[in-house]
Amino acid sequence: KQEVTQIPAALSVPEGENLVLNCSFTDSAIYNLQWFRQDPGKGLTSLLLIQSSQREQTSGRLNASLDKSSGRSTLYIAASQPGDSATYLCAAATPGATNKLIFGTGTLLAVQP
Amino acid sequence: NAGVTQTPKFQVLKTGQSMTLQCAQDMNHEYMSWYRQDPGMGLRLIHYSVGAGITDQGEVPNGYNVSRSTTEDFPLRLLSAAPSQTSVYFCASRRSASGSNEQFFGPGTRLTVL
Repeated sequence: KQEVTQIPAALSVPEGENLVLNCSFTDSAIYNLQWFRQDPGKGLTSLLLIQSSQREQTSGRLNASLDKSSGRSTLYIAASQPGDSATYLCAAATPGATNKLIFGTGTLLAVQP
Repeated sequence: NAGVTQTPKFQVLKTGQSMTLQCAQDMNHEYMSWYRQDPGMGLRLIHYSVGAGITDQGEVPNGYNVSRSTTEDFPLRLLSAAPSQTSVYFCASRRSASGSNEQFFGPGTRLTVL
């Protein structure tokens, strides 16, 4: 059974710092790994999608990597800003009857001005 | 495109009441699903649909019904609300049942059952 873990659960950094959020998964048989952002009281916004055949994806100041063999993905945020404060969720698309997303419980990021 | 829309945004029910959470998408996506989000438990799949007329159960289907009469709409019905159903509900869609497609989420419905 696929399990997705995100560590740390919460992170506070000063503005301008580069940071890495971690996501690990137990079953390497995934279609893809998707990173989402969730603002308080809001829905999920898709940030990056890495297919299982890819190693990384980039969008602006965000870079996500995927290492299936070790069961890890990282989300790198460059030059963090207070507007980056949110909860970041990763989800593994897992083959099976439902082809569903298995979510981690998220990392709550606070960027201090 | 409006993407995935959900109504209502907030709802308070009494135990035993029934209601329907609405979800619609305008991206012509085949696959739609409902998740609930609870503190410390992440998002869990309730029901999903791979196309009009086809639905199936996810991880936590008890107490919920769904139907898919059109490609665009995927309502979630609470038959007899219980306090354990207090949660935030998200509808999601993707282009097809293939797990390789990007998934898009609606803004959520925050439900409280008293």
